[in-house]
Amino acid sequence: GAVVSQHPSRVICKSGTSVKIECRSLDFQATTMFWYRQFPKQSLMLMATSNEGSKATYEQGVEKDKFLINHASLTLSTLTVTSAHPEDSSFYICSAGPGTSGTSEQYFGPGTRLTVT
Amino acid sequence: SQKIEQNSEALNIQEGKTATLTCNYTNYSPAYLQWYRQDPGRGPVFLLLIRENEKEKRKERLKVTFDTTLKQSLFHITASQPADSATYLCALNNNAGNMLTFGGGTRLMVKP
Repeated sequence: GAVVSQHPSRVICKSGTSVKIECRSLDFQATTMFWYRQFPKQSLMLMATSNEGSKATYEQGVEKDKFLINHASLTLSTLTVTSAHPEDSSFYICSAGPGTSGTSEQYFGPGTRLTVT
Repeated sequence: SQKIEQNSEALNIQEGKTATLTCNYTNYSPAYLQWYRQDPGRGPVFLLLIRENEKEKRKERLKVTFDTTLKQSLFHITASQPADSATYLCALNNNAGNMLTFGGGTRLMVKP
């Protein structure tokens, strides 16, 4: 089946520093990847849609200069949280759809727990 | 405004019984509706997808119904097991592509 990996699984950083999270599709090519954020006991909130070779599309209220997304290849998208603050602490999850048979199910990575101190 | 509503209260059932979870939506015309399972600290796992022209879909012990008139989907787990305990999320796919919007999820607890 379709497998998506994320790295790192957990990261602790100091306020003001930047953190990069990688999302890889391991056994399929992903033209589009999605980045979500999830706060405790809340559902997933879409942050941005990442398209290979072009600029990401950000959801309303998400700062594109703070959450830098790069989708350099069909198997890798990265999210960089710049100048992190404690309120950025959250669970970040990426997903990609293999797009087979015209369906649109998404396959999620295991998530990255970011803690900003 | 657009809403996807799932019962925020946990559903507690006895092992062996059928669990039924509800997803209601307003001001959407989804091409697909999907159900995912999420365990604590993990990413969601895809379970089932049902299209707007399908009324029912089954996969092993899982059954999903989709009523576009009522704007509701029901998710059933038959012969439930403690291992089915998790949060179940419904998600709608709009007609503009693969973007999904998620409901708040319902936590299911199956007791032995």
